[in-house]
Amino acid sequence: EAGVAQSPRYKIIEKRQSVAFWCNPISGHATLYWYQQILGQGPKLLIQFQNNGVVDDSQLPKDRFSAERLKGVDSTLKIQPAKLEDSAVYLCASSPRQGNNSPLHFGNGTRLTVT
Amino acid sequence: GENVEQHPSTLSVQEGDSAVIKCTYSDSASNYFPWYKQELGKGPQLIIDIRSNVGEKKDQRIAVTLNKTAKHFSLHITETQPEDSAVYFCAASGGSYIPTFGRGTSLIVHP
Repeated sequence: EAGVAQSPRYKIIEKRQSVAFWCNPISGHATLYWYQQILGQGPKLLIQFQNNGVVDDSQLPKDRFSAERLKGVDSTLKIQPAKLEDSAVYLCASSPRQGNNSPLHFGNGTRLTVT
Repeated sequence: GENVEQHPSTLSVQEGDSAVIKCTYSDSASNYFPWYKQELGKGPQLIIDIRSNVGEKKDQRIAVTLNKTAKHFSLHITETQPEDSAVYFCAASGGSYIPTFGRGTSLIVHP
């Protein structure tokens, strides 16, 4: 099966600019996650979708971050305006369904550098 | 919420040696414990997982043990090879079904 696709692979922007990341999960996977991975740390959940509904966004900085999953398939994560501390790898993951602790399937991430 | 501690942060071994990575968790409701391997420039990939109704699980050179009473679980890699060099993450999830990750262990296997 095709894996989780993410684009772009790299992005460099200046602070206060905006940026968007795209994710296409594995076909048929109902649950989609966005994680932020700062260098030297483990992934930290930003938001979880079940189909096109938000399950958990408690750790999403909503004053600058937004995410959507229209039609319950692809998802977009946006940052506006970006801060220096947003420099990180943004990982998208999917799993077949919520509720049975299924393994996550990760994409290769988007590395964001904010200067 | 769940808190996962992982040790050591860096582990250096000679090829053929064993490697052990340990994690502790805080939420007694957690019942699923996956381990992921992350190679440079790639996303984490599941290598093994264990559920709370099992104390130990093995897959070739990799094994995971779980002690629910003490709230800790460990990854054991035997006969390490240079291609085992990567960052390894433990995670725990339970009622919320949202995995919380440890900070990672950088494993270096010297040929």
